[in-house]
Amino acid sequence: KAGVTQTPRYLIKTRGQQVTLSCSPISGHRSVSWYQQTPGQGLQFLFEYFSETQRNKGNFPGRFSGRQFSNSRSEMNVSTLELGDSALYLCASSLALRNYGYTFGSGTRLTVV
Amino acid sequence: KQEVTQIPAALSVPEGENLVLNCSFTDSAIYNLQWFRQDPGKGLTSLLLIQSSQREQTSGRLNASLDKSSGRSTLYIAASQPGDSATYLCARISGSEKLVFGKGTKLTVNP
Repeated sequence: KAGVTQTPRYLIKTRGQQVTLSCSPISGHRSVSWYQQTPGQGLQFLFEYFSETQRNKGNFPGRFSGRQFSNSRSEMNVSTLELGDSALYLCASSLALRNYGYTFGSGTRLTVV
Repeated sequence: KQEVTQIPAALSVPEGENLVLNCSFTDSAIYNLQWFRQDPGKGLTSLLLIQSSQREQTSGRLNASLDKSSGRSTLYIAASQPGDSATYLCARISGSEKLVFGKGTKLTVNP
């Protein structure tokens, strides 16, 4: 059974550019959520999608956006990149039933220079 | 503010020692609590999920307990091995369905 797949694994972008990250959840999982991990702030919730609808959003600026497709795959986009956006971005998938927990992907390491 | 605190932030032990990692949370209205392991530069690996109706879960040398009344969870690792070296994170799952994480405990098991 395939796990959560995130692509690409590594990215280097320049300030002001935009970036799109992709996440394919475990087959059958309809919920996808995104987290940002930095040494200073730890893991912070970005947003969660279920059946193509954003259900929850964390406290991040509007430059961070996402979407979910009908096959449950999700993308997140960051526009006008800033140096502080350098982080490990993690995607988690869930059956969206509270008793089953979350499974994470290996993450995308974004470096903004 | 609903927070999750993990103590200690770092722990170094000799191989073979039994150890306890602590996690406390301020919101008693949690649904579940999940423990993860993270190796350097990698994603999170789920270790144990404790549902709100449960008191503990066990997997191999790992045992996690949950006490909602006191707002605490502990992860017990028996007979630690160098391969257990990693950062251990606890996260609570509440009504908003999002995970709220602690900052983690960095464990080093010395051979």
